[in-house]
Amino acid sequence: EVQLVESGGGLVQPGGSLRLSCAASGFTFRSYWMGWVRQPPGKGLEWVGNIKRDGSDKYYGDSVKGRFSISRDNAKNSLYLQLNSLRAEDTAVYYCARIQTHDAFDIWGQGTLVTVSS
Amino acid sequence: IQLTQSPSSLSASVGDRVTITCRASQDIRSFLAWYQQKPGKAPKLLIYTASALQSGVPSRFSGSGSGTEFTLTISSLQPEDFASYYCQQVNSYSFGQGTKLEIK
Repeated sequence: EVQLVESGGGLVQPGGSLRLSCAASGFTFRSYWMGWVRQPPGKGLEWVGNIKRDGSDKYYGDSVKGRFSISRDNAKNSLYLQLNSLRAEDTAVYYCARIQTHDAFDIWGQGTLVTVSS
Repeated sequence: IQLTQSPSSLSASVGDRVTITCRASQDIRSFLAWYQQKPGKAPKLLIYTASALQSGVPSRFSGSGSGTEFTLTISSLQPEDFASYYCQQVNSYSFGQGTKLEIK
């Protein structure tokens, strides 16, 4: 079964850091671009960033550029999101997603909640 | 590139035909996807490249348009279709603000 499972969410203070993980299974992970999308409670979807198959190229949304970093370990079939300098407005469910050939997100994880609060 | 969905919310009945519109602030050719999201669940891909139906998605869903105006149509609403719907421009990856489809 094709599956993505996120972990690492939790409560963090403003200015703090957190690392999210996404474990992939059921497909050839190294063959796909991967991405992160977030959703603040009760609000819409916001693209966070994408990473190329081999990790050599990364792209970020304006609101997280310079604070968040995406990486991957193809040997471990894992995707990561490092969140630094966290703000209250970063509070959201964070989803990892697979990017299909036509650039849409075709497989999604269940999401992990990050809460930024003192 | 900004995406504007209309309406923001919609009430409809089982069996109705429903259309949701997504307008782009500039020409995005056919680089548009549509997703369905139910409360507490991850989004699900419905349509890619504006009109291609994702595998496993019922044929009552269809997408059309190119350039700056796109539509998602549900030909005959089923109870499981009441959800939120989002368009996404797959060059810059920005999303529309969403349309909440509720039961009348």
